Amino acid sequence: AQRVTQPEKLLSVFKGAPVELKCNYSYSGSPELFWYVQYSRQRLQLLLRHISRESIKGFTADLNKGETSFHLKKPFAQEEDSAMYYCALSGSGSARQLTFGSGTQLTVLP
Amino acid sequence: DTEVTQTPKHLVMGMTNKKSLKCEQHMGHRAMYWYKQKAKKPPELMFVYSYEKLSINESVPSRFSPECPNSSLLNLHLHALQPEDSALYLCASSPSGGQGREKLLFGSGTQLSVL
Repeated sequence: AQRVTQPEKLLSVFKGAPVELKCNYSYSGSPELFWYVQYSRQRLQLLLRHISRESIKGFTADLNKGETSFHLKKPFAQEEDSAMYYCALSGSGSARQLTFGSGTQLTVLP
Repeated sequence: DTEVTQTPKHLVMGMTNKKSLKCEQHMGHRAMYWYKQKAKKPPELMFVYSYEKLSINESVPSRFSPECPNSSLLNLHLHALQPEDSALYLCASSPSGGQGREKLLFGSGTQLSVL
């Protein structure tokens, strides 16, 4: 069965500092990876997906199949980036539905 | 309209009540989902409807009963709930038939409290 691991439950960084939210996965096939974000009192929304290779709000993530990782990075954190971030995986067949990691609460300090 | 709309936003019910949650989308999405989310936890999949037919039921207790009257509307009927069912209930939709590998668009949720 597929699994998504986000090792950091809480992460705090100062404004302007680089930030990296870790995500590791286990899946025997070829996965599609996503990052979803939930700002305070807002709906869960897609931040980015590896297949589109786009940068949203300055965040990027690269799928590393060798290390089975999909870490989320931003070079200069902003206070408005404070939110809960979920890494998610979609496989194929019986594993096609999203499997979410446990989430990382990011706090960007002034 | 590019949103998934859920009503009500908040619901308080007793363990003997019957209530329903409603979800609408008018984007022509062919798959609709119910998720349950406890505070500071990831969403847990409950049901998936693909082309208005129930395709996935993640062993959800029968006190939760989903219904998809048409391609734009998804309901979740609640009956005889337990206090541990208190959670945020999220609806989502996706463009294709719920076959995976597609982005989900989430509603803002219904915060349910069972007393």
